Amino acid sequence: DSGVTQTPKHLITATGQRVTLRCSPRSGDLSVYWYQQSLDQGLQFLIQYYNGEERAKGNILERFSAQQFPDLHSELNLSSLELGDSALYFCASSSRGASGEETQYFGPGTRLLVL
Amino acid sequence: GENVEQHPSTLSVQEGDSAVIKCTYSDSASNYFPWYKQELGKRPQLIIDIRSNVGEKKDQRIAVTLNKTAKHFSLHITETQPEDSAVYFCAANILTGGGNKLTFGTGTQLKVEL
Repeated sequence: DSGVTQTPKHLITATGQRVTLRCSPRSGDLSVYWYQQSLDQGLQFLIQYYNGEERAKGNILERFSAQQFPDLHSELNLSSLELGDSALYFCASSSRGASGEETQYFGPGTRLLVL
Repeated sequence: GENVEQHPSTLSVQEGDSAVIKCTYSDSASNYFPWYKQELGKRPQLIIDIRSNVGEKKDQRIAVTLNKTAKHFSLHITETQPEDSAVYFCAANILTGGGNKLTFGTGTQLKVEL
């Protein structure tokens, strides 16, 4: 158990709908990252938040958005869902290393199926 | 942006043999290289990492080497066991505008056969 929690574990929805995925970081971690893992794209970095502020952005679609709240939990919002959005969505949190790099620990993931 | 290539995509070894997985990265500013193990349907788990100022690191049966000049790094697993069977991902981290971007390789499916 990494200490990172994610809800829900599974989500089934229809095309065009909107869903919200939730993540709680490890105690003491200020950074939260979101990743998408699909069979054909591997693990893709979406976005990073640090203490409530967006810090880095990857290949996140405009239909997707995220935020980090004062209690440090984060939500990933996916809207106008398409079949291709079906994937595992992981959240990770991190502690900062001596050189500024951050060791990331992953949550159990949310499996999203869009029908 | 950063690009990480990982080879091989699949690797089958006999129990007790060694396994080696290799990765190359494109951005010389990358400063941190973690390796993750992912079992089917589960979270990626950090197994070892190395920072850019270190050439080699070992933790029991697992070791990682880094060649910054050639921009490649490798994972070595010795005395493989059936429970080592999983998908292994390498990654390269780059600092960017106050944040971190971790780019993953495409994964290696390791199968340890009895």
